[in-house]
Amino acid sequence: AQTVTQSQPEMSVQEAETVTLSCTYDTSESNYYLFWYKQPPSRQMILVIRQEAYKQQNATENRFSVNFQKAAKSFSLKISDSQLGDTAMYFCAFVMDSNYQLIWGAGTKLIIKP
Amino acid sequence: NAGVTQTPKFQVLKTGQSMTLQCAQDMNHEYMSWYRQDPGMGLRLIHYSVGAGITDQGEVPNGYNVSRSTTEDFPLRLLSAAPSQTSVYFCASRETGGNNQPQHFGDGTRLSIL
Repeated sequence: AQTVTQSQPEMSVQEAETVTLSCTYDTSESNYYLFWYKQPPSRQMILVIRQEAYKQQNATENRFSVNFQKAAKSFSLKISDSQLGDTAMYFCAFVMDSNYQLIWGAGTKLIIKP
Repeated sequence: NAGVTQTPKFQVLKTGQSMTLQCAQDMNHEYMSWYRQDPGMGLRLIHYSVGAGITDQGEVPNGYNVSRSTTEDFPLRLLSAAPSQTSVYFCASRETGGNNQPQHFGDGTRLSIL
């Protein structure tokens, strides 16, 4: 069965620091897509960044970047220059090319302290 | 664009009651899905649809029904509410271009079953 593991239930860092959230997944397929979503206290689910498994280059979106290690099945999220507005639950998810079901991790609660 | 609109935002039901959670999107997305979010767990897929007239079961379909008569609407029906269905429910839609497309989420419905 496909699974996603986020080993850090909660993290907190000071504003302006860099923080890395970990995510590992398990699949036997070679073609899939990985996502990080953010859920602030408002409950809205917002896409942060995505990565195609066939691309070796790590995706970046402004202060957000990923470290994608396909062999290790690892997909960590790095947030640089963290801001108070980054406080949220962060979910890692992936979907295989062969079906529609997005598999989600349990989430990491990130708190940015002033 | 309103995006994905869910109604109601909150609902309290008694065990055994039935109700329908509404979901509508104005982005002409073919793919729509329903998730439930429980504390300490990732989102779990209930049902999904790849177009009008086509629906399929996800990971946790028992106790729920769906239909898709139009591209825009994808209601979720609870047939006989049970306390185990207390959860936050999210509707999402996605462009048809492929599984690499991000999902667009509604604001969620918090449902409590007494």
